[in-house]
Amino acid sequence: AAGVIQSPRHLIKEKRETATLKCYPIPRHDTVYWYQQGPGQDPQFLISFYEKMQSDKGSIPDRFSAQQFSDYHSELNMSSLELGDSALYFCASSLGGHGYTFGSGTRLTVV
Amino acid sequence: GIQVEQSPPDLILQEGANSTLRCNFSDSVNNLQWFHQNPWGQLINLFYIPSGTKQNGRLSATTVATERYSLLYISSSQTTDSGVYFCAAFLRTSGTYKYIFGTGTRLKVLA
Repeated sequence: AAGVIQSPRHLIKEKRETATLKCYPIPRHDTVYWYQQGPGQDPQFLISFYEKMQSDKGSIPDRFSAQQFSDYHSELNMSSLELGDSALYFCASSLGGHGYTFGSGTRLTVV
Repeated sequence: GIQVEQSPPDLILQEGANSTLRCNFSDSVNNLQWFHQNPWGQLINLFYIPSGTKQNGRLSATTVATERYSLLYISSSQTTDSGVYFCAAFLRTSGTYKYIFGTGTRLKVLA
């Protein structure tokens, strides 16, 4: 069965650089969610999109932005990276909010 | 906002032992999901369980929505069960959806 695909799996960036994370949801899923999980922390909700429109916003820094495209894939753009942005970034998708399926995550390291 | 608390925070078991993990949530939720995060960081869906009891092999889960808690049972634990177990409460408010994760139970199963 198709799963949620995230790319890249690992990313190393320097401070003040920009990073773009991609998420390809399960086909026909209409909602995409982004979560950030710091070391030893539980995942924190960042932002979600329903049918290509932002549907909810959590603790997402102003330096971050995201969008969902016409093919339903989503991208999380992070600028002016800080050391504290080092984390595991998960994308999940669902159909009508019923049951999440998570991607394998992107591990971002800012040095 | 809703609080999702898990207990115990840490658990060490000998292989073959049984255990019960608890998830309490402070408000009514639309759904509840259990995840296992393996040592490689992947979030694996275990149960989608708004109420009642479900079983899948050595794992089973029970949610008592009226009393705002859910339990995850692991029987005959194996070293591959090690990792962090998260429950996530699903909220639907004003047409948007999101999961709020609990604080996690870190499980280590010893051979």
